[in-house]
Amino acid sequence: GENVEQHPSTLSVQEGDSAVIKCTYSDSASNYFPWYKQELGKRPQLIIDIRSNVGEKKDQRIAVTLNKTAKHFSLHITETQPEDSAVYFCAASKSRLSNFGNEKLTFGTGTRLTIIP
Amino acid sequence: DAGVIQSPRHEVTEMGQEVTLRCKPISGHNSLFWYRQTMMRGLELLIYFNNNVPIDDSGMPEDRFSAKMPNASFSTLKIQPSEPRDSAVYFCASSPGTSRNNEQFFGPGTRLTVL
Repeated sequence: GENVEQHPSTLSVQEGDSAVIKCTYSDSASNYFPWYKQELGKRPQLIIDIRSNVGEKKDQRIAVTLNKTAKHFSLHITETQPEDSAVYFCAASKSRLSNFGNEKLTFGTGTRLTIIP
Repeated sequence: DAGVIQSPRHEVTEMGQEVTLRCKPISGHNSLFWYRQTMMRGLELLIYFNNNVPIDDSGMPEDRFSAKMPNASFSTLKIQPSEPRDSAVYFCASSPGTSRNNEQFFGPGTRLTVL
C-alpha cells in the first residue's frame, strides 16, 4: 500500500519568514495530494490540494509543488503569521475517474509549525 | 449544511464497556471515513464506506471494533469491549465522492477516554 513520509516533525519560524514542509510517497499511481491544517483541539481542514497533472498550485500565501518523478511534494507558506501555527498533514491517494466514491487518503505523520512573534 | 455531525463529543467509560460513536455525514456525500488520532500513532484510517458499502476495513485494530452504515445519512463505530488503549479522538469525515472533488470534510471528533 501507499506510504507517506513527512518532514520535519516540528518547525519553528520567525513571523514573516517562510516555512516549507516536505512529503514523499511510495505509490507511483497516487495522483491526488491534499494538505490539511489542524489547529489545537480542532478538526483537520483542507487548505490546498494538487493533482498529478500540475506541478505547482498557489493560493495567496500558500503554495504546493509536486515532483512526480521523485515522488515528493512540498507545502510552502510565505509571510508567516501567528495564526499559521498548527499541525499540518500531507496526504496522498489515487483519485478515481468515477463519481461513485473516493479512494482513501494516506496521511503523513504531521508537522507542528510554530510561528514565533 | 451543518457539516459532519458526530456524537457524543466526549465519552468517558470504564474498561470492558461497550462504546458507540455516531456520525451524520454531509447530505449528498458518497464517501464516509472513520479515523482515530493519538499522539503516538497520528491520524489512522480505520474504515471507509462508498455508497454505504464498506470498502476497506484493514485499519480496524481488531475484532473489538465494528462499523456500520445502514443508510446514507448515518454511521456508527462500536467498540466492544473497550480497553484503555482505545482512548483517542475519533473523527468521522465525509466526501462528495466524485472524480472532481476528493476533499474530505471532518467532523468535530469524539474524545474517548477509557479508564
